[in-house]
Amino acid sequence: EIVMTQSPALLSLSPGERVTLSCGASQSLSNSNLAWYQQKPGLAPRLLIYDSSTRATGIPDRFSGGRSGTDFTLTVSRLEPEDFAVYYCQQYGTSPITFGQGTRLEIK
Amino acid sequence: QVLLVESGGAVVQPGKSLRLSCTASGFTFTNYAVHWVRQAPGKGLEWLAKISFDGSNKYYADSVKGRFTISRDDSKNTLYLQLNSLRPEDTAVYFCARVGTTAKNVEYFLYWGQGTLVTVSS
Repeated sequence: EIVMTQSPALLSLSPGERVTLSCGASQSLSNSNLAWYQQKPGLAPRLLIYDSSTRATGIPDRFSGGRSGTDFTLTVSRLEPEDFAVYYCQQYGTSPITFGQGTRLEIK
Repeated sequence: QVLLVESGGAVVQPGKSLRLSCTASGFTFTNYAVHWVRQAPGKGLEWLAKISFDGSNKYYADSVKGRFTISRDDSKNTLYLQLNSLRPEDTAVYFCARVGTTAKNVEYFLYWGQGTLVTVSS
């Protein structure tokens, strides 16, 4: 299976800052089949990005996704208070579907 | 609007069985593959199982293969997950999730249920 490795595990930042989260795949992904989710405590994950860089409907344009080979990024251009949460990447190009272990974004 | 509502979570003893349900509404259920994903307390997301739009294909994570069974009843717009031989490490919130597109094998999860908690403990 493809192992997804997210870094860092924890980030402490302030509102207004720019942040880039990383997700590395152990193998090449088919068709940039990578998604990013945001999860807040007690809630289901919310889809932010799919196909590596396509924003889901209703997701603000401060969220953007990128890819360089087997490395993927989620960038938030200017953090809003509601963006502090846990972020997961997911590959769906190869079975089984696998998730990264998550990056927690906390308020500094 | 699209809604997925899970039910059936409970506290069960190791070795016992449980059936989870996920009732869907707001979309044509038979057009989409649906999945189960779980999250152990304080941990990340783990994909468990998928059933194709027509129920003809089922896929499982190695961690649950042979113990869990995914099924769907299209007449009830309901997805199921039968959990057998439960272990303490199966303790988690179980989510059902619908893919974002009817395209084959494009499986990001656009819609999620709220989750149902399964606790395996003696």
